[in-house]
Amino acid sequence: EDKVVQSPLSLVVHEGDTVTLNCSYEVTNFRSLLWYKQEKKAPTFLFMLTSSGIEKKSGRLSSILDKKELFSILNITATQTGDSAIYLCAATTGTASKLTFGTGTRLQVTL
Amino acid sequence: DTAVSQTPKYLVTQMGNDKSIKCEQNLGHDTMYWYKQDSKKFLKIMFSYNNKELIINETVPNRFSPKSPDKAHLNLHINSLELGDSAVYFCASSHLDEQFFGPGTRLTVL
Repeated sequence: EDKVVQSPLSLVVHEGDTVTLNCSYEVTNFRSLLWYKQEKKAPTFLFMLTSSGIEKKSGRLSSILDKKELFSILNITATQTGDSAIYLCAATTGTASKLTFGTGTRLQVTL
Repeated sequence: DTAVSQTPKYLVTQMGNDKSIKCEQNLGHDTMYWYKQDSKKFLKIMFSYNNKELIINETVPNRFSPKSPDKAHLNLHINSLELGDSAVYFCASSHLDEQFFGPGTRLTVL
């Protein structure tokens, strides 16, 4: 059975801190690894990673994939209270673009 | 412009009832999905349709029946609702791997 595991499950940091969120996966027919941010409503897309070792960056957020060790990390630098959310990692598999989600990391950024 | 929309946003109903949730996307995507998110925020795929054809059907009770009248719509009908069906149901659509999610429908079964 396909499995995606995220750690930590929850994290509380102070504004300005840097955080690293982890995602490991064990799936068949891996295609890509996606990161989403979920605040109060729908998950919103952050990154899609398909190649090992190539960092994707968007402002203070960056992510990288290691296809040999089967994991990805999401870094957030200089955290702000608006970064408080659940961060979801998902692996896409097969030809049908099936997404298998991890349990998420709940990040809380305090003043 | 709303990309993926769902109705209703909230649904409160009694056990044993039958209910439907509707989803529409205006992104021109070929593939649509239904996900269930439980109280612990775990998102699990239920169904996927590609061009009106069912391509993913996870282990879901047959009380749940998806219907895709055209590739822009994917509805979910649930028969004989049970307490354990209470959750947030998300519709999503994709062209390739990136999936766009609707705002969710919070279903509460009393």
